[in-house]
Amino acid sequence: DAEITQSPRHKITETGRQVTLACHQTWNHNNMFWYRQDLGHGLRLIHYSYGVQDTNKGEVSDGYSVSRSNTEDLPLTLESAASSQTSVYFCASSESIGYGYTFGSGTRLTVV
Amino acid sequence: GENVEQHPSTLSVQEGDSAVIKCTYSDSASNYFPWYKQELGKRPQLIIDIRSNVGEKKDQRIAVTLNKTAKHFSLHITETQPEDSAVYFCAPRGDSSYKLIFGSGTRLLVRP
Repeated sequence: DAEITQSPRHKITETGRQVTLACHQTWNHNNMFWYRQDLGHGLRLIHYSYGVQDTNKGEVSDGYSVSRSNTEDLPLTLESAASSQTSVYFCASSESIGYGYTFGSGTRLTVV
Repeated sequence: GENVEQHPSTLSVQEGDSAVIKCTYSDSASNYFPWYKQELGKRPQLIIDIRSNVGEKKDQRIAVTLNKTAKHFSLHITETQPEDSAVYFCAPRGDSSYKLIFGSGTRLLVRP
């Protein structure tokens, strides 16, 4: 069955370190998204991609970057981790405009 | 950009009662209106969606109604059960964008 997987499920890192969160989907969806979820803020869009070599900034993109070298993967990199980036991160993919998202199971990141 | 508001932020109902959550949006070009359910510690999951050419859609105990003129849509849950307890998010989407902007969520508690 097609799926979308995130790794790791949990990560603890130190302030200032570079961290990469993985997202891999086998739906063959062109559209992929990264959100962060914090108490009181719901889901906020970090970056998104509409296809290979395409990346776009979302509403909270500062301190994050993504790259899209193939259809299946959209890794999220925190260039220099900060305590304010402690959060739960969700990756999602979508087939088309008229369809909803399928979410990964999330990565809980703690920056100490 | 799209401004999305959900009301109420929390809702407590007795098992068997109905629950209604309202989502107001600002982008008149929005034409896809999904609702997501997120149980504690889990990923958001699409439970029902509606497109702008339809005023109402029903799936067993849940329904979504759309008022495009007033720019709001609502989630209706009838005969609520304890397993309906979760956070519910609306996420209207415009015609030209694949990205979803999520409301801040409504925490529904169904009391046995």
